[in-house]
Amino acid sequence: SAVISQKPSRDICQRGTSLTIQCQVDSQVTMMFWYRQQPGQSLTLIATANQGSEATYESGFVIDKFPISRPNLTFSTLTVSNMSPEDSSIYLCSVDGSLETQYFGPGTRLLVL
Amino acid sequence: GESVGLHLPTLSVQEGDNSIINCAYSNSASDYFIWYKQESGKGPQFIIDIRSNMDKRQGQRVTVLLNKTVKHLSLQIAATQPGDSAVYFCAEFSRGSYIPTFGRGTSLIVHP
Repeated sequence: SAVISQKPSRDICQRGTSLTIQCQVDSQVTMMFWYRQQPGQSLTLIATANQGSEATYESGFVIDKFPISRPNLTFSTLTVSNMSPEDSSIYLCSVDGSLETQYFGPGTRLLVL
Repeated sequence: GESVGLHLPTLSVQEGDNSIINCAYSNSASDYFIWYKQESGKGPQFIIDIRSNMDKRQGQRVTVLLNKTVKHLSLQIAATQPGDSAVYFCAEFSRGSYIPTFGRGTSLIVHP
């Protein structure tokens, strides 16, 4: 399985600011995914990031709010822009593994005041 | 719309007991399922998977059962240990899709 790290692991931010979350994988992967997990809730897919193309966003998520970069096969960033308290959540990146299995990073815990 | 859900949001058991976590799904096109374990402060971890051409799959201390007739999935944990305390999610994949739909999650609490 892939080893995935995320930075920062947690942060407290002021509303109106932006935070960029980094996701690093120890092997080359085709697809990387970004999820949001609100407190006590399940995981909601934000977007799929493939290297060399624009990210594909799920319904309810837009590029202006959650811009994503995928400069190579081992790295991706997610920016949460113009944050509000409603953006307080855990943000998780994952990568495709064998078959349809996805492996997840440890998550970034974001609190917006 | 179609959804994946769980019957019990919280399950409390005594150490050594067997645990059963349930998941109902409504998408008849689902053909692959995964159970994930998420410990506090960590990301979800793959536990076990099952394809729709099977009705049972066993791992180490865990068994997944799939009943396609009633669209029901369960995770059985034998001899539950305190380290099993976590939130458990089922994830369902529609045929041809690499994007899972996650269930609501069940919090398993194991009392020593």
